Amino acid sequence: QQQVKQSPQSLIVQKGGISIINCAYENTAFDYFPWYQQFPGKGPALLIAIRPDVSEKKEGRFTISFNKSAKQFSLHIMDSQPGDSATYFCAAARDSWGKLQFGAGTQVVVTP
Amino acid sequence: GAVVSQHPSWVICKSGTSVKIECRSLDFQATTMFWYRQFPKKSLMLMATSNEGSKATYEQGVEKDKFLINHASLTLSTLTVTSAHPEDSSFYICSALLSGSSYEQYFGPGTRLTVT
Repeated sequence: QQQVKQSPQSLIVQKGGISIINCAYENTAFDYFPWYQQFPGKGPALLIAIRPDVSEKKEGRFTISFNKSAKQFSLHIMDSQPGDSATYFCAAARDSWGKLQFGAGTQVVVTP
Repeated sequence: GAVVSQHPSWVICKSGTSVKIECRSLDFQATTMFWYRQFPKKSLMLMATSNEGSKATYEQGVEKDKFLINHASLTLSTLTVTSAHPEDSSFYICSALLSGSSYEQYFGPGTRLTVT
């Protein structure tokens, strides 16, 4: 049973466009929500993470929006570039040192 | 900073043999490391939590005797796949927990295991 549900499964966006990936969770004990980027044959790399006490966090072209009441959070990639083509995973944990529950992943393809 | 390495990056072994995968935190000490398994185009599945100096904690459904984990030092954890079979072929990824103000997990580059 997947504790974190991620959508869409795949996404194609034009260069310069906005990529939006959504995740939903059920366990209200989760209080740490990171996003990871993974290229083929590589390990995941932490992109950005948020805690429930804020509704939005921005780092460069990456923004997390968090809706605590709806138990949803999303990743927005602004001005998408071909180098952003990768698989993105959302995750959740009770603390940043807790076990991560991963979403199913979203394969993002940015076309030139 | 916060670099995690894995060795080997890929390995091919024959059915019935054992293979060891190393996970090292290169520039920090990690009392806790995690081992994941990932099938093609799938998400990461946590196999076990490795704590330095103590026994690993395995997730439900993961065979302890098949996947031996040792965390003998603050910078090294090893995963040994014993008596490997083709169904053990997978991408194995470790992560190390950086203790401090943020307690972030940093992932290794992964090890591709193919059992023939």
